[in-house]
Amino acid sequence: DTAVSQTPKYLVTQMGNDKSIKCEQNLGHDTMYWYKQDSKKFLKIMFSYNNKELIINETVPNRFSPKSPDKAHLNLHINSLELGDSAVYFCATSKLNGVNQPQHFGDGTRLSIL
Amino acid sequence: DQQVKQNSPSLSVQEGRISILNCDYTNSMFDYFLWYKKYPAEGPTFLISISSIKDKNEDGRFTVFLNKSAKHLSLHIVPSQPGDSAVYFCAASGTSGTYKYIFGTGTRLKVLA
Repeated sequence: DTAVSQTPKYLVTQMGNDKSIKCEQNLGHDTMYWYKQDSKKFLKIMFSYNNKELIINETVPNRFSPKSPDKAHLNLHINSLELGDSAVYFCATSKLNGVNQPQHFGDGTRLSIL
Repeated sequence: DQQVKQNSPSLSVQEGRISILNCDYTNSMFDYFLWYKKYPAEGPTFLISISSIKDKNEDGRFTVFLNKSAKHLSLHIVPSQPGDSAVYFCAASGTSGTYKYIFGTGTRLKVLA
């Protein structure tokens, strides 16, 4: 029973399309995150939500829109996909907000833009 | 501006010997540090952490050392095992603001049998 699960695992699509990546956690954690790992292997935070409320919004194009329908889910919708969006996107969770603690990661979604 | 740096992209060590992975940071406001391990096609897995009030934290074969004056931390794995072969990321965060983690670019460790 996977703690943090992301779907799909692989996503190949054309430039200009709109796509969504889903993340679900069964840990009962309050805070969820989206990270992007680019071709240079930098793992950078994009967004975080605490109890469905946006906490962190890094300098990310507004083509990226996170949505948290409930505490267990944080989805990432991307409009008008560009070549530079090709990356691995990781969802993560932590038990509490505002406290230093480990984050638990999903296995990633590899997005490839043709 | 890369605030957390792992200057060795790869490291090879014989099984049974010590593996030492290094990480440097530039932001003096960082006060919590973590190491993650990542296998191919999987997400990073938390290994060990250390708060800036300590200079050492140990968990089984894994020990993290923190040198605040040098803004340097290291992960020691003793003894190294083939299953330890993975990419290791260090991460840092501060208590002010949003507690976001800044990750290094990783060091690929290969433990040779």
